[in-house]
Amino acid sequence: NAGVTQTPKFQVLKTGQSMTLQCAQDMNHEYMSWYRQDPGMGLRLIHYSVGAGITDQGEVPNGYNVSRSTTEDFPLRLLSAAPSQTSVYFCASSFGDRGVFFGQGTRLTVV
Amino acid sequence: KQEVTQIPAALSVPEGENLVLNCSFTDSAIYNLQWFRQDPGKGLTSLLLIQSSQREQTSGRLNASLDKSSGRSTLYIAASQPGDSATYLCAVMNTGFQKLVFGTGTRLLVSP
Repeated sequence: NAGVTQTPKFQVLKTGQSMTLQCAQDMNHEYMSWYRQDPGMGLRLIHYSVGAGITDQGEVPNGYNVSRSTTEDFPLRLLSAAPSQTSVYFCASSFGDRGVFFGQGTRLTVV
Repeated sequence: KQEVTQIPAALSVPEGENLVLNCSFTDSAIYNLQWFRQDPGKGLTSLLLIQSSQREQTSGRLNASLDKSSGRSTLYIAASQPGDSATYLCAVMNTGFQKLVFGTGTRLLVSP
C-alpha cells in the first residue's frame, strides 16, 4: 500500500500564479482533508471531504478550492497565490476509528 | 471550540532518561486522540491512537494515556535514545467529525 501520496514535494510560485496540489490515497478511505502547517500555529484544517462529491470548509479555507470527483483523489487548488500561502501542506485520509493517515507534505513558497 | 495545548514546547534530555510529554484539550467530547512524530522537513508518522473508551495504548517504549474527564493525555517515552529526537504532536478528533485539532507540539532533543 502506498497510503497517501502527495505531489509535488516542493514548489515555488510567483504571486498571482495558480496551481494544484495533488493528493491520492489507495486505502478506500471516505474522509480526506487538507491541512497547512505554519511555525507556531500548528496544523490547521483548510478543507475536507466526507466522500466523493461532498466537500466542506475547514478553519482556514480562503484562497483555496477543492473538489472530490473520486474516492481516491482530493486535489487542492490555489487560485491566485499570495505570500501568506507560503506553508507546508499536508493531505490526510481516514475511515472510522482507524486514525488519520498523512502524506509526506508539499513545501510551497510564494514569492 | 476545541483547543489543544502541549507542554513543554521544547525538551532537552540526556540519553537513557524516561520522559513525559503532556497534552490537554478543552472539550472532553472526543472520538479519539492520536500522537504523531514529525522529523524536520518530513511528514507526520502516527505513533499511537487512543479511542475515547480506552485509558492507554502501548507500542514498544511508548505509552500513551488518556483521561477524558480531565482533558489530558500523556506520552511516556522510556529509556530515551538520540533517535527519538523529533517533534511530537498531539491531535484530537471530536465526536461526529473526522477532523483533527492539533497542538503546537513538543520539540524533543535527546543528547548522547
